[in-house]
Amino acid sequence: DTGVSQDPRHKITKRGQNVTFRCDPISEHNHLYWYRQTLGQGPEFLTYFQNEAQLEKSRLLSDRFSAERPKGSFSTLEIQRTEQGDSAMYLCASTLGAGGAQYFGPGTRLTVT
Amino acid sequence: GQQLNQSPQSMFIQEGEDVSMNCTSSSIFNTWLWYKQDPGEGPVLLIALYKAGELTSNGRLTAQFGITRKDSFLNISASIPSDVGIYFCAGQPPQRTYKYIFGTGTRLKVLA
Repeated sequence: DTGVSQDPRHKITKRGQNVTFRCDPISEHNHLYWYRQTLGQGPEFLTYFQNEAQLEKSRLLSDRFSAERPKGSFSTLEIQRTEQGDSAMYLCASTLGAGGAQYFGPGTRLTVT
Repeated sequence: GQQLNQSPQSMFIQEGEDVSMNCTSSSIFNTWLWYKQDPGEGPVLLIALYKAGELTSNGRLTAQFGITRKDSFLNISASIPSDVGIYFCAGQPPQRTYKYIFGTGTRLKVLA
């Protein structure tokens, strides 16, 4: 399967703990996006990478959130000191070019207890 | 900020019926994408539209990029039970060539 992959698929953590999610985009795609989706809503943009450069961050991405794409391939999203409001589905997507069709991974479901 | 209004919010239809849904905005978009999402899964791309007026089909699905660039439509013909799910539109604004804005979704239920 050469689609977008995400790991883990599910994560349950206690409030205050740190969590890290990984995304592997489609191999030739150099544009990578992170979104957050809460129940009953569409995905909300969090951040965007072109190769290893993080070109935009949403206001939704508080100081507790950080994303990296060190070698322009896989990306990680870390949430520090998790809060119950962080519970959501975290989605990763990639595109071949800036205006191209966006392909999503299966998502990581985070539950903060 | 920019928002996409998607309608209807939900619909129940009989198997075999045709379905229509749309997405509208007060601003123009360069690209329109349509996705289907099943519970607990990521959205799956159905159709991508890149030019105003473009009409594109994917099997029983047909989508159109509105000529005003402010709307898009998705039609599903002869619905089947596996069409159940949430359908999202997403638009890419011209001033940001990488960010997509999503609608709130249309929940489709098909009655056998």
